[in-house]
Amino acid sequence: QKEVEQDPGPLSVPEGAIVSLNCTYSNSAFQYFMWYRQYSRKGPELLMYTYSSGNKEDGRFTAQVDKSSKYISLFIRDSQPSDSATYLCAMSEVGTYKYIFGTGTRLKVLA
Amino acid sequence: GAGVSQSPSNKVTEKGKDVELRCDPISGHTALYWYRQSLGQGLEFLIYFQGNSAPDKSGLPSDRFSAERTGGSVSTLTIQRTQQEDSAVYLCASSSGVEQPQHFGDGTRLSIL
Repeated sequence: QKEVEQDPGPLSVPEGAIVSLNCTYSNSAFQYFMWYRQYSRKGPELLMYTYSSGNKEDGRFTAQVDKSSKYISLFIRDSQPSDSATYLCAMSEVGTYKYIFGTGTRLKVLA
Repeated sequence: GAGVSQSPSNKVTEKGKDVELRCDPISGHTALYWYRQSLGQGLEFLIYFQGNSAPDKSGLPSDRFSAERTGGSVSTLTIQRTQQEDSAVYLCASSSGVEQPQHFGDGTRLSIL
């Protein structure tokens, strides 16, 4: 079993839909949780960076962490075709630099 | 520029040749990381630098891989005697500290013929 599991998709939604992207993990020591967006032939771009549990909102994006369930989510409101990309979750323990990445979910927002 | 810069963006070489990949981190970032991304795989950690020192080389796949960082800035990842399984995208990231978010460059797409 991988430390971080992420559905590879692809996930196809119509423009304007609310998108939910998720990761599960097995290591209860993870405290930092990140979401990256990666366009084709580009590097991962940091979207959200959260510590411990709770919600964090930035514009159309909301990150949720449920440590009791070992489950994190990224919600995208009013999705746009420009949101079409691969979304990677990443996690790390306190005091470490090593990020553990999910394999990414490919999202397609249809105009 | 303000972001992490990597060169070349693409590299095609013959099996058995040596290649050098370059990373120029965000100015002032003391920590630098190399990752490898293969099709359908997650990002695989290769090596971490704090300043010019590499306290963790555990992710380097074999002794054909080496990396150095000079002046606390630019880093070079070298692959000797390349093999076809080395074909991947090599990504570099930097951060202002160990527990600070990592920011990535656009990578070098390496193809071994």
